Amino acid sequence: SSELTQDPAVSVALGQTVKITCQGDTLRNFFANWYQQKPGQAPVLVIYGRNNRPSGIPDRFSASSSGNTASLAITGAQADDEGDYYCNSRDRSNNGVIFGGGTKLTVL
Amino acid sequence: EVQLLESGGGLVQPGGSLRLSCVVSGFTFSDYAMTWVRQAPGKGLEWVSAIGGSGDATYHADSVKGRFTISRDNSKNTLYLQIDTLRAEDTAVYYCAKGIGTPTAGSLDYWGQGTLLTVSS
Repeated sequence: SSELTQDPAVSVALGQTVKITCQGDTLRNFFANWYQQKPGQAPVLVIYGRNNRPSGIPDRFSASSSGNTASLAITGAQADDEGDYYCNSRDRSNNGVIFGGGTKLTVL
Repeated sequence: EVQLLESGGGLVQPGGSLRLSCVVSGFTFSDYAMTWVRQAPGKGLEWVSAIGGSGDATYHADSVKGRFTISRDNSKNTLYLQIDTLRAEDTAVYYCAKGIGTPTAGSLDYWGQGTLLTVSS
């Protein structure tokens, strides 16, 4: 099966912009979806498809993609944006879905 | 308001079986694909299984094929996950989630709070 690779940890200064990346061959064919998870809570979808935000997700969250890399950008990071971020995408090799290993975001 | 409520977790011995349930409300259940995702203690998310709205199409991760079976009862607004031949590595919080689009699009807009399954003797 395919793999999605994420940096284990990223930090950003309050109010600055940060990009969280997700790499994998399947991203050449399919968009990534992005989730935020805080300790003890269920994941929350923040971006899906090309660059769609569910209702209630602030517009400081956006996504882009190039080649085998998908990126989640947070513009003007807030303290509340701290948490673990996961990408996922369709895995054509086994007709399923794969998640990246997650990135822990710290807002300094 | 969309709600998903999982149940059925607990402490089970290796080799045993159990069925997880997820009762939903707040949307037309049969119109949407549903998914199970699990998270082992201190680990990341792992996609487990997905099912189309009618229940005819099912998908399972390679790691659980042959042991896990996803199903749904649209008359009861309930999603199920039958787990057989339990292993220690199945220990995790199991989340059910509502899908946007096809079962394997991976876009899950509503999640339950999860049910903890512990496999141990």
